[in-house]
Amino acid sequence: SQTIHQWPATLVQPVGSPLSLECTVEGTSNPNLYWYRQAAGRGLQLLFYSVGIGQISSEVPQNLSASRPQDRQFILSSKKLLLSDSGFYLCAWRLQGTGELFFGEGSRLTVL
Amino acid sequence: SQQGEEDPQALSIQEGENATMNCSYKTSINNLQWYRQNSGRGLVHLILIRSNEREKHSGRLRVTLDTSKKSSSLLITASRAADTASYFCATDAYGGATNKLIFGTGTLLAVQP
Repeated sequence: SQTIHQWPATLVQPVGSPLSLECTVEGTSNPNLYWYRQAAGRGLQLLFYSVGIGQISSEVPQNLSASRPQDRQFILSSKKLLLSDSGFYLCAWRLQGTGELFFGEGSRLTVL
Repeated sequence: SQQGEEDPQALSIQEGENATMNCSYKTSINNLQWYRQNSGRGLVHLILIRSNEREKHSGRLRVTLDTSKKSSSLLITASRAADTASYFCATDAYGGATNKLIFGTGTLLAVQP
């Protein structure tokens, strides 16, 4: 069966520090991968999605970036965090051509 | 930007009552999905309805879709305290980059025991 892992689960970082959130999927091949961000009490904002290794589509500008170095690995990064980067980050995957998204348990980032 | 807007933003009901949540969207779609999120957790898929379908059932869930009004509703019948969660609609845009799934703002449902 397929599983998705996201880490770290919780992170407190100072403004200006770097960020790396990692997501891996097991039990499937060539998934579409997604990063969403959720501000407190709000909906989900799509940040990045990827349809294959090295292929990243960005939905928002700003100081975040994503990479897909392996088929089932998706990394969200920042060189210098801002206060506004605080939020709940969710990684998700789905098979090519199907609709349902499978989510990880999320990473809660607090920037101080 | 978000595609969907859920209504109401928050809903409080008693156990056993029905809960209805609505979703409106802006562009033509391939399908519309509903998800549930318990506090502090990831989202879980509930049901998918395609653009050529008008109604779909799954257990205590009933989803309707009106593409002429660009709206959908989720009905949870005989609610339970365990149904307390946030509920989101999400859409795959038609004719655009179909790899994107855009979520609405969500409805926070509280079911009182």
